Amino acid sequence: AQSVTQLDSQVPVFEEAPVELRCNYSSSVSVYLFWYVQYPNQGLQLLLKYLSGSTLVKGINGFEAEFNKSQTSFHLRKPSVHISDTAEYFCAVSLPSGGSYIPTFGRGTSLIVHP
Amino acid sequence: DVKVTQSSRYLVKRTGEKVFLECVQDMDHENMFWYRQDPGLGLRLIYFSYDVKMKEKGDIPEGYSVSREKKERFSLILESASTNQTSMYLCASTGTSGRVGELFFGEGSRLTVL
Repeated sequence: AQSVTQLDSQVPVFEEAPVELRCNYSSSVSVYLFWYVQYPNQGLQLLLKYLSGSTLVKGINGFEAEFNKSQTSFHLRKPSVHISDTAEYFCAVSLPSGGSYIPTFGRGTSLIVHP
Repeated sequence: DVKVTQSSRYLVKRTGEKVFLECVQDMDHENMFWYRQDPGLGLRLIYFSYDVKMKEKGDIPEGYSVSREKKERFSLILESASTNQTSMYLCASTGTSGRVGELFFGEGSRLTVL
C-alpha cells in the first residue's frame, strides 16, 4: 500500500517570504501526485498535479511543485507568499485500484502567513 | 465546473441517533468517496464507490455504511451515532477519464454528536 508523509504539521512564515511544504511518498509503482488546498470552512480544491512528463509542475496562485522520483518527493513551493495563502495543504498520491484511482492523503500542513 | 453538494454543512445529533449525510455530484462521475477529517490525522477514507450499487470499504469503515442507488448520489449512514464520530465529513468524486485522479470535493459536513 502507498503512504504519504508530510514532514511539517505547521509552517509559519512572514508575508512575501518564500515557502516550501514537504511531501514524501512510498510506492513501488508509478503514481499520480497532487497538492490540494483547504481554506477555512471549505472543502479541498486542487492546486496542482503531476501525472507524467515534466517534473516541474505549475499550479494556481503561483504555487509549483517538483517531482523527484529518486527521492520519492513532491515538495510544494511558492517564491513569495501572501496572507491569503494561509490554509491547510494536503499532498495526495493515487494508485490504480481495480481500474479506479484511489487517493491517499497526507496528514496536512498548516501554512500560517504572518504580516 | 464540477459541483459536489453536501446536504448539510452543520449537524448536531445525540448519541444513538441514526444520521444520514447526503452527497450529490453533477458531472456524471463514476467514483465517489467519503472521507473523515480530524485535526492532525488528515483525511481518512471511510468508503468509496465506483459504480451504482457498488461499495468498497476504505481505511475506517467501522460504524458507517453507505448507499449508492443513483450515479449522482452517495450517502453516508451512521446507524447509531457515537461521540467519537464527531468530525468533519468530506464527500468527493472523480471520473475515469479527462481529469484523471483529480478529486472534486464538497464543502464538508461538520457533525457534532452529543
